[in-house]
Amino acid sequence: NAGVTQTPKFRVLKTGQSMTLLCAQDMNHEYMYWYRQDPGMGLRLIHYSVGEGTTAKGEVPDGYNVSRLKKQNFLLGLESAAPSQTSVYFCASSPWTGGSAQPQHFGDGTRLSIL
Amino acid sequence: AQKITQTQPGMFVQEKEAVTLDCTYDTSDQSYGLFWYKQPSSGEMIFLIYQGSYDEQNATEGRYSLNFQKARKSANLVISASQLGDSAMYFCAMRPFSGGYNKLIFGAGTRLAVHP
Repeated sequence: NAGVTQTPKFRVLKTGQSMTLLCAQDMNHEYMYWYRQDPGMGLRLIHYSVGEGTTAKGEVPDGYNVSRLKKQNFLLGLESAAPSQTSVYFCASSPWTGGSAQPQHFGDGTRLSIL
Repeated sequence: AQKITQTQPGMFVQEKEAVTLDCTYDTSDQSYGLFWYKQPSSGEMIFLIYQGSYDEQNATEGRYSLNFQKARKSANLVISASQLGDSAMYFCAMRPFSGGYNKLIFGAGTRLAVHP
C-alpha cells in the first residue's frame, strides 16, 4: 500500500535555484494538496487541485507553482528558491467529498533547506 | 474568520493515564467536520478521528475519543490509557462545508510527551 509518495525526502538548495517536488498517489483520489509546515504554525495550504488539469491557490501560494497533468501526480515547483521557503512540505490527497468530509491522506513529507 | 486554536503548546502525561488535548474552533458554517491527526517524530501525518457537526454522539476510535461540545465550539481529543508510542504532535483540523474542495484548516498543534 503506497498511498501518497513524495520525492525527494530531503533536499538542500542554494538561494535562487529551482526545483520540483513530486507527489504521487495510487488511491485514484480527485483532490490533491500541497502544504508547508513551519514551527508553531501547523500546516498551511499552498496550492490544491480538484482534478486532472486543474489547480488553485491556497493560503500561501506566492513563490510556488503547481501542475497536475495526470490524476495521480501533483507537482510543486519553486522557480527561484528563497530562505523563507525553508520548510517541511507535505502532499495530501482525498476523494471527492460530495458535501461530506473525508480525511486527507498525507505523504511522509519533504524537508527542504534553502541556504 | 475560520480558525482552529490549540492553546496547549506542550503537554505531558504519565503512562497509562488519560490525557485531554484542547481544540476550539471558529466558523460561521452550520455544517463542518472536525479531525485530529497525529504526527510522530518520524514526521508522517496519521489520521486519528473524525466528528461531524451534526453527529449527536461523540466519536470514538479505540483509545481515542472526541469530546465535542458544539455550543462551546470545542472538539477536545481524549486519549485513554496513554502509551509511550502516543508521544507525538497532535493537530486539530476543521473542514468547513462551504469550501468545495475538502479544505482543511489546521491548528498549531500540541506536543504530547508520555512519561514512563
